[in-house]
Amino acid sequence: EDQVTQSPEALRLQEGESSSLNCSYTVSGLRGLFWYRQDPGKGPEFLFTLYSAGEEKEKERLKATLTKKESFLHITAPKPEDSATYLCAVQASAGNNRKLIWGLGTSLAVNP
Amino acid sequence: DTGVSQDPRHKITKRGQNVTFRCDPISEHNRLYWYRQTLGQGPEFLTYFQNEAQLEKSRLLSDRFSAERPKGSFSTLEIQRTEQGDSAMYLCASSAPGEPYEQYFGPGTRLTVT
Repeated sequence: EDQVTQSPEALRLQEGESSSLNCSYTVSGLRGLFWYRQDPGKGPEFLFTLYSAGEEKEKERLKATLTKKESFLHITAPKPEDSATYLCAVQASAGNNRKLIWGLGTSLAVNP
Repeated sequence: DTGVSQDPRHKITKRGQNVTFRCDPISEHNRLYWYRQTLGQGPEFLTYFQNEAQLEKSRLLSDRFSAERPKGSFSTLEIQRTEQGDSAMYLCASSAPGEPYEQYFGPGTRLTVT
């Protein structure tokens, strides 16, 4: 069964304290792995798509990497405005519906 | 703004009433998805449209739920005889044909069933 597990469930950082969020997955053929940011009461906001092992994407203080079994979202020198829930999702290559299989998310709090 | 829009943003209804939500996808996107999300959970897939065709519906979705996408443009999600367990955020997403495959989400409709 396709599955996504994110860790930790919650993370509290001081401003400027770099860290990484983990997303491990099992899927019958990976079409893509996606990272989203979600603020309370809002829909998920797309951040990155990763397609193959070894791929990396960067955006401001965020960097996403992918291996055959997991992805990391590295946050460098975070600011309070980076506080949000970060969701990871995978899309299996089998089937044509492209539905996303989601993890439960990591709730990140960055203290000033 | 050309993002995904949803209406209403909030809906409070009494148990047993019917409710309908609307989603307007990004204009050139032919694929449209409905998800449901409860607190502390990731989005849960409900149904998927490619153009006007509903190609998949979650087995978790009871017969009280129905979705349409006439003419392959906007979509509606109707819940009949609402139950308290239906209280959740209902999210709509759309994606373009071909690569890239990412889905873009609307702001969601928060449903509260009293």
